[in-house]
Amino acid sequence: GQNIDQPTEMTATEGAIVQINCTYQTSGFNGLFWYQQHAGEAPTFLSYNVLDGLEEKGRFSSFLSRSKGYSYLLLKELQMKDSASYLCAVKDSNYQLIWGAGTKLIIKP
Amino acid sequence: GAVVSQHPSWVICKSGTSVKIECRSLDFQATTMFWYRQFPKQSLMLMATSNEGSKATYEQGVEKDKFLINHASLTLSTLTVTSAHPEDSSFYICSASRAGGSNEQFFGPGTRLTVL
Repeated sequence: GQNIDQPTEMTATEGAIVQINCTYQTSGFNGLFWYQQHAGEAPTFLSYNVLDGLEEKGRFSSFLSRSKGYSYLLLKELQMKDSASYLCAVKDSNYQLIWGAGTKLIIKP
Repeated sequence: GAVVSQHPSWVICKSGTSVKIECRSLDFQATTMFWYRQFPKQSLMLMATSNEGSKATYEQGVEKDKFLINHASLTLSTLTVTSAHPEDSSFYICSASRAGGSNEQFFGPGTRLTVL
């Protein structure tokens, strides 16, 4: 079956750095997405990786290793507003998005 | 660019009534639209995928006669929850993607449905 694994919850301190991991087993691979979702709101797009390596976008970076079926989202200089759920999703061989359950990130002052 | 709107943002209805939710891509043509449902503290659950002018493809376990999806144009899809019951109360989110590129999905703001 297809599976996306990410930690259920993480806690970090304001101003610090946090890395949220995602491992996947899917039938084929056509890209990996990270989305941010604040409570009661719809997800918003953060990043897209289709090739191995690191994609940097401001305070957020996303890394992909296709051979390991692994990605991480790195958040730097954490702010209180970064408290949210972070969803990892993989597009499989049928171009269908397979969603992880999300990682709830709690930022403490 | 790539803005998706949903209407209404929230709705309360009586059990047994039907509710229609609209999803519009405001500044692009959406070749594919997706409907998700999300229960509190749970992840997104894909209900169906629809392409303009064709029948929606429903995920396993989703009743197509209960959740009617119409994708009449490249900018509008509707989800009708027929004969709604309290267990249908949920957060319904649509997303849209356009051809080419990463096929990134752009999400609407969601519709919170409460069935009394």
